[in-house]
Amino acid sequence: DQQVKQNSPSLSVQEGRISILNCDYTNSMFDYFLWYKKYPAEGPTFLISISSIKDKNEDGRFTVFLNKSAKHLSLHIVPSQPGDSAVYFCAAGSGNQFYFGTGTSLTVIP
Amino acid sequence: GAVVSQHPSRVICKSGTSVKIECRSLDFQATTMFWYRQFPKKSLMLMATSNEGSKATYEQGVEKDKFLINHASLTLSTLTVTSAHPEDSSFYICSARDQAAGNTIYFGEGSWLTVV
Repeated sequence: DQQVKQNSPSLSVQEGRISILNCDYTNSMFDYFLWYKKYPAEGPTFLISISSIKDKNEDGRFTVFLNKSAKHLSLHIVPSQPGDSAVYFCAAGSGNQFYFGTGTSLTVIP
Repeated sequence: GAVVSQHPSRVICKSGTSVKIECRSLDFQATTMFWYRQFPKKSLMLMATSNEGSKATYEQGVEKDKFLINHASLTLSTLTVTSAHPEDSSFYICSARDQAAGNTIYFGEGSWLTVV
């Protein structure tokens, strides 16, 4: 049973616009959430994280929002750039157990 | 630069042999490291959690006798695929948690294993 879900397998956005990637989780005990970016045949690159005590964390063009009541988090990228084209994974967990979503492939169109 | 190094990045081995993949945290100590496997067009699948100085915790369905994990020091975990078969061919990725940096988890670059 998938504990972390990314329901959109792909997303296309025009350069300069906002990209919004969504992630849902099922376990209310999860207290730490992360977003990763992955290019083919490479390991994921850490982007940004948020703990359950916050509802927003911002780092440059990347902002993660956490809605604990809805068990939902999202990653906003603004402005989107062609170099942002990659697969984005969200992860959620606590302690030593972290689970990944299936990823969303983002394409930023120049 | 990379904070978690994985080696080798690519390895080809014969069916029936064993191959070891190393995961090193370069500038922090990691009591906990994770090993993942990625199937084509699928998400990362957590195989096991590697705990320094103790036995690894394996996820359901992962054969512990086939995928041997050793976490002998605070900066090194190894995954040994024993008696490899072609179906073990995959992309294996490790990650390590930096507790001193807010529990941020960093990933290695991944290792392509091809069993022929």
